[in-house]
Amino acid sequence: LAKTTQPISMDSYEGQEVNITCSHNNIATNDYITWYQQFPSQGPRFIIQGYKTKVTNEVASLFIPADRKSSTLSLPRVSLSDTAVYYCLVGDMNTGFQKLVFGTGTRLLVSP
Amino acid sequence: DSGVTQTPKHLITATGQRVTLRCSPRSGDLSVYWYQQSLDQGLQFLIQYYNGEERAKGNILERFSAQQFPDLHSELNLSSLELGDSALYFCASSVGGRTDTQYFGPGTRLTVL
Repeated sequence: LAKTTQPISMDSYEGQEVNITCSHNNIATNDYITWYQQFPSQGPRFIIQGYKTKVTNEVASLFIPADRKSSTLSLPRVSLSDTAVYYCLVGDMNTGFQKLVFGTGTRLLVSP
Repeated sequence: DSGVTQTPKHLITATGQRVTLRCSPRSGDLSVYWYQQSLDQGLQFLIQYYNGEERAKGNILERFSAQQFPDLHSELNLSSLELGDSALYFCASSVGGRTDTQYFGPGTRLTVL
């Protein structure tokens, strides 16, 4: 499984756009990229998943460049409730049964 | 609410004891996953079951075991407990096992004294 590297923490203000970049230099052809959000003492919550180019849902956008060695989670107009830890994961589509490997995550603090 | 339920919510026990954590997956999900989250180790994958069979193993200690029953609920058994086993234990479920989204339960907080 490809190792991921993310910033340890980020600070932002309400209403701003936040971009969290994850590096996965050893990503394999069959790997896909998933982001999870975790609040204190709660289980992680799926945010978005993609393989290449751009994916958008009602919560976030995921940008993946052509070489797929990195990805950027974009949170538009964050609010205080977006304060959480964000995990970037890379998973193998061909293993049949995925095994999520969580890194240290990025601790996002949104201030008023 | 993810639809995944875990019991108990909190568990306090002593070293050397044995405990069982229970997980009920979302309706229709066949895969169940167990994770351990401690302050110093982060979120660690332990084991996965799919439709009653073990499918993937992570950093699960030999003192720990799990199973998935015919009704698809799962139990994680932790024995000979040590202080270092104190952690949050999460269960997650997914429809299948490939790229399906994993939905996490609220967790069981285990404290070993």
